[in-house]
Amino acid sequence: DVKVTQSSRYLVKRTGEKVFLECVQDMDHENMFWYRQDPGLGLRLIYFSYDVKMKEKGDIPEGYSVSREKKERFSLILESASTNQTSMYLCASSPGGQETQYFGPGTRLLVL
Amino acid sequence: QKEVEQDPGPLSVPEGAIVSLNCTYSNSAFQYFMWYRQYSRKGPELLMYTYSSGNKEDGRFTAQVDKSSKYISLFIRDSQPSDSATYLCAMSRNSGNTPLVFGKGTRLSVIA
Repeated sequence: DVKVTQSSRYLVKRTGEKVFLECVQDMDHENMFWYRQDPGLGLRLIYFSYDVKMKEKGDIPEGYSVSREKKERFSLILESASTNQTSMYLCASSPGGQETQYFGPGTRLLVL
Repeated sequence: QKEVEQDPGPLSVPEGAIVSLNCTYSNSAFQYFMWYRQYSRKGPELLMYTYSSGNKEDGRFTAQVDKSSKYISLFIRDSQPSDSATYLCAMSRNSGNTPLVFGKGTRLSVIA
């Protein structure tokens, strides 16, 4: 079974803090993705990566950065958290050459 | 026009009913179609995957793709309260390194 894990289920941070969200997959997948999910807006792609040390901007990259130093790990960084970044953050991975994505359980982030 | 349109619901049905969930899309280049199920406060899980037009059946679930109408459907037979979740359609232009485009999801409640 594919397993995608995220470092925290719930996180509370203060405005201006630097926030790290970690995602790890154990199936040797090439591709990894970060989304945020908000009521009425659905899933929105923030960043994705097709290989180690590679990254591509998604639809809403502003205010975020990512790091992929190892194949199994993809980190999302909020450089200076703001209240409008309160959201559910979902990580996903997929094998290279395949379109089906497998999701982690999500991190619910609250920025006060 | 949005690339993928999905009625958000909520859709409420009695136990045992046949449920029909639908998405329309505008990009004729989409060839790969998926349905994800997302329980409350969890990550989406892949439910069905189809390539191009046609039907695919898996237990109580049937996925249909009509590329000529740019319309996809998910049917659930003998619906159960455990089917209560949000259902997201997703699609892709080609195999490999192309991000999925998601619908916003339809929330389904199956009442016992």
